[in-house]
This record gives sequence, C-alpha cells and structure tokens, in this order.
Amino acid sequence: GENVGLHLPTLSVQEGDNSIINCAYSNSASDYFIWYKQESGKGPQFIIDIRSNMDKRQGQRVTVLLNKTVKHLSLQIAATQPGDSAVYFCAENGNAGNMLTFGGGTRLMVKP
Amino acid sequence: DSGVTQTPKHLITATGQRVTLRCSPRSGDLSVYWYQQSLDQGLQFLIQYYNGEERAKGNILERFSAQQFPDLHSELNLSSLELGDSALYFCASSVDPGMGNTIYFGEGSWLTVV
Repeated sequence: GENVGLHLPTLSVQEGDNSIINCAYSNSASDYFIWYKQESGKGPQFIIDIRSNMDKRQGQRVTVLLNKTVKHLSLQIAATQPGDSAVYFCAENGNAGNMLTFGGGTRLMVKP
Repeated sequence: DSGVTQTPKHLITATGQRVTLRCSPRSGDLSVYWYQQSLDQGLQFLIQYYNGEERAKGNILERFSAQQFPDLHSELNLSSLELGDSALYFCASSVDPGMGNTIYFGEGSWLTVV
C-alpha cells in the first residue's frame, strides 16, 4: 500500500546549526501533512502542518516545505538546540477523515 | 502537556490475558483516535471515534476493540494477548474528525506482554 517514508534514520547536527529532515510520500491524493516531534518516553508532539495548496509554511524556528511535484516534504529547524533532540515523524492525511499515516521517523541528535 | 490523559502508563501482563487502556481527550475534543507504536511497525492507526460513534478503522486486530462513552472518554480493550502485542498505545484527540484539525497525542500506555 502507499506509505510515507523518511530518507535518513539518524541526523546528527552541531548545536546552532540548521537541521533539515526529509520525508517522501507516495500517496498523490494526500492533502494535508504534519510534522511531529517525539521525545523519549513521550507522545508525539505537533510541530507544524501544511496543506497541499501551499508550498511553504513557517513557525517559530521551524519551516515546512512541500514539493508536490516530487512528493517531498521537509522540516527545517533553525539554530538547532539540544532540546530539539528527538525523533521526528512526518505524517500525511489523504482521506476524507482525519487519520494519519506516519513515516518511519528520523532521529535528530544535537551535538553541543 | 497535550491535555490528553492516558492510564495506565505502564502495564505488564501475561499472554492470553485481557487489558483495558483508558483515555480522556482534551477538553472540547469530540474525536478520539488510537494508535499503536511498535519497533517494527512504527505508528499505526487503529481506530477512530467521534462523539461516541466509530468513525474509521485502521489496522486493528479482531482481538482488539474500543468504545467512546457519553462523557467522551475512550477505552481500548485488548484480549487474548500475545507477545507481539507489546507496544506503546497512544490515544489522541481532535476537535472533530475533519481533515486538518490538529491531532494531539497523549503520553501513551506502555504494554508489555510476557
């Protein structure tokens, strides 16, 4: 079946650098995309979302980019901090309801 | 704190047993979702309820069932447990089931089947 996947399982960055986490999706009908952050022992925490009629959306220190042509989603974190260390999941919603299909996750490690 | 409350946080039980996981959604949220997170399957959607009615089903086994009560809290029942059922079970909620409504997750219930 169609699924959402991540290119890199682990990303290691220096504190203060920018991070880019990538996600490929295969369901061309997907209309809504979300990034979640999951810290150890906690539940997924909503970071930012984007609808398919947009190609960029900015939040506080985070930016999500959507390229529908190549079915690619990315999360950019500016000035990465140790508190950003976590597993990041992209999720997509390609149905009429609100069920999410999650990618496999990328672990972000921030080096001091 | 997402506002979604799950109990118990940890649970250890034997194969063949039955357990019930409980969830209270965020105040004002009418839609509840259950997800399973295991090492080999990632986050998998199980089932969704909206205002007491089942709304959608995902990869939920027949041994599993759920319900949403009039006060909007939900329970996930897992029966005839197998070792492979060991996982983190998340409850999540949103205002309504419409696409684009932010889904907030609880901290999860960690189930270990021995």
